Amino acid sequence: NAGVTQTPKFRVLKTGQSMTLLCAQDMNHEYMYWYRQDPGMGLRLIHYSVGEGTTAKGEVPDGYNVSRLKKQNFLLGLESAAPSQTSVYFCASSYTARTGGYEQYFGPGTRLTVT
Amino acid sequence: RKEVEQDPGPFNVPEGATVAFNCTYSNSASQSFFWYRQDCRKEPKLLMSVYSSGNEDGRFTAQLNRASQYISLLIRDSKLSDSATYLCVVNGVIQFYFGTGTSLTVIP
Repeated sequence: NAGVTQTPKFRVLKTGQSMTLLCAQDMNHEYMYWYRQDPGMGLRLIHYSVGEGTTAKGEVPDGYNVSRLKKQNFLLGLESAAPSQTSVYFCASSYTARTGGYEQYFGPGTRLTVT
Repeated sequence: RKEVEQDPGPFNVPEGATVAFNCTYSNSASQSFFWYRQDCRKEPKLLMSVYSSGNEDGRFTAQLNRASQYISLLIRDSKLSDSATYLCVVNGVIQFYFGTGTSLTVIP
């Protein structure tokens, strides 16, 4: 099993450009998440999904959109990149947990720089 | 108020030392608790789950105090390979909340 994979690993964008980050998991997890990690801020939730076809906003959703057309894939889109979106982006997935108790598995991250 | 708060450190300890990290969480309805380890420029990886009764995994011991909303991690006999950032994580039902992490460097 590959676990959680992310593409691309690195990307440099100019302000105003758009891009899509792809996350894929082969563990049949229901829940998937997108985070960004900035120095001194910890991991912050951008959007998440509790199943195919459903998405929800997290703590910092502005400037991002997501889609979950297939259970194994979760896409994060930046429509018009801004320098404030320079960050490391992590995707994660977990089992369904009505009462919690299941850990998250993370992808290796995408390092995005917006100039 | 942040959902999860940790002392950011850094903690610099000699090999063989015992070191303890603490974490507090704000939501008393939180369901489950974890410690993750994150190496520089890598993804977080689960170190251990934290149970109400406390749990141990080799040199690592985790404790949970629900009344005080407090989680701890104890590392005994520190190794050079323990150098990393340790993240305290609290889960409600769907969302996970991360502390900013505590940096540990084990010195030869």
